Amino acid sequence: KAGVTQTPRYLIKTRGQQVTLSCSPISGHRSVSWYQQTPGQGLQFLFEYFSETQRNKGNFPGRFSGRQFSNSRSEMNVSTLELGDSALYLCASSLRHEQFFGPGTRLTVL
Amino acid sequence: AQKITQTQPGMFVQEKEAVTLDCTYDTSDQSYGLFWYKQPSSGEMIFLIYQGSYDEQNATEGRYSLNFQKARKSANLVISASQLGDSAMYFCAMRETNAGGTSYGKLTFGQGTILTVHP
Repeated sequence: KAGVTQTPRYLIKTRGQQVTLSCSPISGHRSVSWYQQTPGQGLQFLFEYFSETQRNKGNFPGRFSGRQFSNSRSEMNVSTLELGDSALYLCASSLRHEQFFGPGTRLTVL
Repeated sequence: AQKITQTQPGMFVQEKEAVTLDCTYDTSDQSYGLFWYKQPSSGEMIFLIYQGSYDEQNATEGRYSLNFQKARKSANLVISASQLGDSAMYFCAMRETNAGGTSYGKLTFGQGTILTVHP
């Protein structure tokens, strides 16, 4: 069974731009979560989607948004990028207990 | 609110020896799950082991075992027979579970422990 895939793997953007990251969960998994990982703040929860509905949301500004499609694929969008948005963005899917993570998208904002 | 504390920023172990990575947690949830993940330098988070709060037996997965002490709110990871490939960052995490035993909501992570295995 294929694992969680994330595209793109690397991104370089400049301040003020917007970016869209994509995540395809493991087949059959309906829950998708997003996390931001930075050296200073560690791993922080962004949001969780289940059956196209946002079920939980972390403490991030409204510039961070996401959605889930009927095939459980998910996207997250960050508008008006700031230098502090540079991070590894991890997507995870789950069926029951464990969250299985993708390889992440490393975003650099210049 | 949930909180995970990993007090060991770094640990060193000799190849083929066992090592224990510490994790304590705090939560007001009655039912929860505890997890350990490994993150190599490549960045991917690799699931290692899961322990439910109502599980009576400590979880084991190959060379990994979870020493669960509910009264002390600790969930230490034990890696037996360390290998060079075990060198990585290790995260302890927890997640709430519902009455049916399904975990939901966010994973709350600790700050991680960097494990270095020496030959």
